[in-house]
Amino acid sequence: DAKTTQPNSMESNEEEPVHLPCNHSTISGTDYIHWYRQLPSQGPEYVIHGLTSNVNNRMASLAIAEDRKSSTLILHRATLRDAAVYYCILRGNTGTASKLTFGTGTRLQVTL
Amino acid sequence: GAGVSQSPRYKVTKRGQDVALRCDPISGHVSLYWYRQALGQGPEFLTYFNYEAQQDKSGLPNDRFSAERPEGSISTLTIQRTEQRDSAMYRCASSLRPRGTNSPLHFGNGTRLTVT
Repeated sequence: DAKTTQPNSMESNEEEPVHLPCNHSTISGTDYIHWYRQLPSQGPEYVIHGLTSNVNNRMASLAIAEDRKSSTLILHRATLRDAAVYYCILRGNTGTASKLTFGTGTRLQVTL
Repeated sequence: GAGVSQSPRYKVTKRGQDVALRCDPISGHVSLYWYRQALGQGPEFLTYFNYEAQQDKSGLPNDRFSAERPEGSISTLTIQRTEQRDSAMYRCASSLRPRGTNSPLHFGNGTRLTVT
């Protein structure tokens, strides 16, 4: 499975933007970049995904480098409810590659 | 609509007993995944199904673990002769389509298994 590398933890002030980086230098041409987050005591929750172009949804934005070897999840205004572990995952398009392989993620702390 | 439902929420069992964990996916979802999560760690893949067919069981730790989804809906993860190291949160997820790049996984709240 292609691997991703994320910082163990990050901190942000409430109402500030947050940029969560992810490196995936071994990404293949058919791998999608997925982000999930896990709030305390809950199951993982889908955030966003993309292939090549930047993506926006109501939760976040995903900026993908031109060479696709890195990406950044952007929370435009962090709130206390965004405190969670954020997982960057590469997901293939066929067969067993379509399963999600979670790493250790980035623990985001949001403070007042 | 209802999300992914898992039962029981908590299961305490004695070492050596068999346990069966149930997952009821979102109606109409084709793919179903089982994960295990230790405290402070990310979810670890166990196995997954498309419809009733088990596609990948490479994550099952040993032959005490098995899973089935006989009618392509509800799934059961069975652990035989439980050991203390099996204690963890067991999570189930489902997705609408089998080739899931545009089909996110929806996770249940999990079953917390404690083996004493």
